Amino acid sequence: AQSVTQLDSHVSVSEGTPVLLRCNYSSSYSPSLFWYVQHPNKGLQLLLKYTSAATLVKGINGFEAEFKKSETSFHLTKPSAHMSDAAEYFCVVSEDNTGKLIFGQGTTLQVKP
Amino acid sequence: DTAVSQTPKYLVTQMGNDKSIKCEQNLGHDTMYWYKQDSKKFLKIMFSYNNKELIINETVPNRFSPKSPDKAHLNLHINSLELGDSAVYFCASSPGRSPYNEQFFGPGTRLTVL
Repeated sequence: AQSVTQLDSHVSVSEGTPVLLRCNYSSSYSPSLFWYVQHPNKGLQLLLKYTSAATLVKGINGFEAEFKKSETSFHLTKPSAHMSDAAEYFCVVSEDNTGKLIFGQGTTLQVKP
Repeated sequence: DTAVSQTPKYLVTQMGNDKSIKCEQNLGHDTMYWYKQDSKKFLKIMFSYNNKELIINETVPNRFSPKSPDKAHLNLHINSLELGDSAVYFCASSPGRSPYNEQFFGPGTRLTVL
């Protein structure tokens, strides 16, 4: 059975410093992995996705993630945090043909001035 | 604007009432979904329709009944509302059921049951 674990429920960084949000997955097959962002009182927006092509995936707003099969990880990074990055981030896995997404518990990113 | 829209945005109601949430997408997608986000922000799929056919029905109480009149609309009707139904409900759509597809989410409906 597929699952996703986000290792930090809350991450706090200063503006201009790097961001690292950690995600481990469990899957029987070669999964598709996504990172979605949810700003306060908004819907979810796709940041980036991995679908078995390049293992380093670049997304919107300067975010990127690296798929590491040996570590079953898909961590999200950004070199320099901006105040507008403060939001809830979800790591998500999908592996079958129903379109079903399995969400991690979410990580709240706080960006301090 | 091309988007996934939901109505209403907020819904406050008494226990025992019946209510509906509507969702529409004008992206031309074949597949639509309902998700529930609880107070801890955990998101879980409830239902999915592909071209008006139900393809995902998670372990949701049968008080919840989705209806898809056409592939651009997926409504959620809830009977006999309970306190535990309070949550944010998100509609989403995607081009198809492939695991590679991005899902596009609506703005959410915050349901409060008193």
